[in-house]
Amino acid sequence: DTEVTQTPKHLVMGMTNKKSLKCEQHMGHRAMYWYKQKAKKPPELMFVYSYEKLSINESVPSRFSPECPNSSLLNLHLHALQPEDSALYLCASSQDRGARTEAFFGQGTRLTVV
Amino acid sequence: SQKIEQNSEALNIQEGKTATLTCNYTNYSPAYLQWYRQDPGRGPVFLLLIRENEKEKRKERLKVTFDTTLKQSLFHITASQPADSATYLCAPNPYNQGGKLIFGQGTELSVKP
Repeated sequence: DTEVTQTPKHLVMGMTNKKSLKCEQHMGHRAMYWYKQKAKKPPELMFVYSYEKLSINESVPSRFSPECPNSSLLNLHLHALQPEDSALYLCASSQDRGARTEAFFGQGTRLTVV
Repeated sequence: SQKIEQNSEALNIQEGKTATLTCNYTNYSPAYLQWYRQDPGRGPVFLLLIRENEKEKRKERLKVTFDTTLKQSLFHITASQPADSATYLCAPNPYNQGGKLIFGQGTELSVKP
């Protein structure tokens, strides 16, 4: 199984809502990532987890809250988002953190904030 | 500050020709460089990884070069096909950045039949 599964595929939420994005992998990877991607732009790194611990936060606003409950799961909790947060949110995993090994990406969650 | 630059203009080529994409980086020395392909609305897919001590790497119709003196990587697709049309992202990343995998802005390739 070389898949990273993200749910939901699409999400529409109001600015006062609380929602969560979920990511799952069963490849035994110890590094997991959240990226945000706007149209015609590259994926922009948000968070890196290594061995279930947050190792990098790229100065992401606190309305985005990551969580790694176990080595296979990664969540992104969303609260009080703004319309400009609308984007494709991608999860990825790799055997080791950084660029030494290939990363596997999920298909993303298309988020619309209204 | 560290900077990654890829061809900003879309690349249009004829089927059967070789596509060459460029990735330049400044103000750092990546230990590894990766290339990914991304189709619209989908996550990136890994293609190739090359290390700083490797000059060239091949995989089927793909070839990557890594010139640490020029601070540049070239990505070639030979005998290109319309199915190769996509955005190609390079990710030159130093080993000591604590786990970051950061991408250039990508080059959109269009292969016409």
